[in-house]
Amino acid sequence: ETGVTQSPTHLIKTRGQQVTLRCSSQSGHNTVSWYQQALGQGPQFIFQYYREEENGRGNFPPRFSGLQFPNYSSELNVNALELDDSALYLCASSLHNYGYTFGSGTRLTVV
Amino acid sequence: AQTVTQSQPEMSVQEAETVTLSCTYDTSENNYYLFWYKQPPSRQMILVIRQEAYKQQNATENRFSVNFQKAAKSFSLKISDSQLGDTAMYFCAFLQNAGGTSYGKLTFGQGTILTVHP
Repeated sequence: ETGVTQSPTHLIKTRGQQVTLRCSSQSGHNTVSWYQQALGQGPQFIFQYYREEENGRGNFPPRFSGLQFPNYSSELNVNALELDDSALYLCASSLHNYGYTFGSGTRLTVV
Repeated sequence: AQTVTQSQPEMSVQEAETVTLSCTYDTSENNYYLFWYKQPPSRQMILVIRQEAYKQQNATENRFSVNFQKAAKSFSLKISDSQLGDTAMYFCAFLQNAGGTSYGKLTFGQGTILTVHP
């Protein structure tokens, strides 16, 4: 049973640029959720994907967007990066809403 | 909206002793799940224990147990026989039971840094 894999592990971007983060879900899981975790804070829900469609969204602007692919892997895209977007981005997969498995995250630094 | 509060930013304990981490939450829902997650420096969020709100019996996983007080909306984690490997950030989290749908949003507290001293 494979776990959740996120790539890259670290990333440095310049303000105004765009970034794509990737997540491979755990085998057998069909739902992927993305969270943003600022330093020293708890994770904040960005959105969730099920059957390749966004089926729930937190309080994040439209420049945060995502995709889910037929193999249940997912991407998080952030446009027009701002300094406050610097954070750890966590991906979690689940079978519906039972048993969330988290990846180790992508540390994004915006300079 | 649901909120989760962890009032202890940092806790410390001696190896082999017992420590309790506090968590309170606010919700108008009756069916939900509560979790404790551990986040070591490796950053991966690891599930420690899970509690279904409809179950009165407190969940237990080896050295980890919870004290779930539904009326008081309190959900504390007790770690017995603390080990050095328990050193991590601990998060309390709430998940509303979405019933037959697949939508679910985990709401996390601010976390408690636990340090186990030798």
